[in-house]
Amino acid sequence: GAVVSQHPSWVICKSGTSVKIECRSLDFQATTMFWYRQFPKQSLMLMATSNEGSKATYEQGVEKDKFLINHASLTLSTLTVTSAHPEDSSFYICSATRGSSGISYEQYFGPGTRLTVT
Amino acid sequence: GEDVEQSLFLSVREGDSSVINCTYTDSSSTYLYWYKQEPGAGLQLLTYIFSNMDMKQDQRLTVLLNKKDKHLSLRIADTQTGDSAIYFCAESSLGGKLIFGQGTELSVKP
Repeated sequence: GAVVSQHPSWVICKSGTSVKIECRSLDFQATTMFWYRQFPKQSLMLMATSNEGSKATYEQGVEKDKFLINHASLTLSTLTVTSAHPEDSSFYICSATRGSSGISYEQYFGPGTRLTVT
Repeated sequence: GEDVEQSLFLSVREGDSSVINCTYTDSSSTYLYWYKQEPGAGLQLLTYIFSNMDMKQDQRLTVLLNKKDKHLSLRIADTQTGDSAIYFCAESSLGGKLIFGQGTELSVKP
């Protein structure tokens, strides 16, 4: 149990376009989902925390108008990269937790989405 | 702010033990974790330890925690080529977000 999927697994888009990435909890209800960004050979950086039915909480330095997060249901959160630029190229990983307390050991990670902006 | 540090590379021979080290700065850390990431994939939780524990063993994995020195280690016994991956140390306070280290790339040579 506790499987998290992401779609697409990789995407190439042109500069200036928008890209939507989906994160789904397949066999549990995820009240909280997290979005991370990972550059090559680097660690994961938390971008935002998303709670179902409320606005996402963004980490310092993350532009909320550029990285739109929607958590409309207990099994789906979406990250939309608006007006993408080459510097947005990265590996985006989501995770989900069952409980609203966000107790970290219950975080289940998706396989990641590789975004390349040309 | 909170910081988690790891060495970047470790190379071992198949069958040897691997020891990956991690240091952290947050004295309020409640949970400490080890994650494994294979190429192009997400993170797999290997094990975690609560901050009031000194050691945890799970099959080939042994986690040691020195809370005084804020030092965490992961020992993999009888390392196999399938263990080649990047290993991330992470910490969190109760209900807090995960703070990851830079990751240690483990290379296992046959």
